[in-house]
Amino acid sequence: EAQVTQNPRYLITVTGKKLTVTCSQNMNHEYMSWYRQDPGLGLRQIYYSMNVEVTDKGDVPEGYKVSRKEKRNFPLILESPSPNQTSLYFCASRPPLPRRGETQYFGPGTRLLVL
Amino acid sequence: GDSVTQMEGPVTLSEEAFLTINCTYTATGYPSLFWYVQYPGEGLQLLLKATKADDKGSNKGFEATYRKETTSFHLEKGSVQVSDSAVYFCALSDPGDSSYKLIFGSGTRLLVRP
Repeated sequence: EAQVTQNPRYLITVTGKKLTVTCSQNMNHEYMSWYRQDPGLGLRQIYYSMNVEVTDKGDVPEGYKVSRKEKRNFPLILESPSPNQTSLYFCASRPPLPRRGETQYFGPGTRLLVL
Repeated sequence: GDSVTQMEGPVTLSEEAFLTINCTYTATGYPSLFWYVQYPGEGLQLLLKATKADDKGSNKGFEATYRKETTSFHLEKGSVQVSDSAVYFCALSDPGDSSYKLIFGSGTRLLVRP
């Protein structure tokens, strides 16, 4: 089954304790990205990756890092989490060709609470 | 920059009622338009999409027509069910944006009562 998986699904942590949210896709997509969802703001892109070892900032990258060492994985790293990073996080992937209207596939989400 | 505006929620309807959720957009290019749905406790699923003016996307009884002249992509369903209760997001992608990102509206929560 084609899917994007994320782990963990739920995470409670404390300010300053480094954490990583993993994302994996089995569709051989070159493009992957991370979004955060906040009430009243919809989803906003954090980082994206066009291919292995190619990453770039989205609209809200402050406080986050990513890496792309393999095509299927795109982990999101919070080096020193703060309460304003409490949010619902989604990983997404899409086929590589820039076809018009190409669908992005989303993971199930990771709900993070930073105390 | 590009943006999407959705009607505020929640929208509360009785089963079998007619649904409209308004969505308007601003874009510098010629975007593709999408509706995504988020059921309680789940991730986002693509509901329907349209890639050019006057296209009508449809799925599961939902429809939306790409109206370039009014920059709108309103979601409609003739008869809603309790199982349609979810949060609906309108989104666009601009083909000129090399980040391929989706720009989302703030979401509209739909509650359907039996």
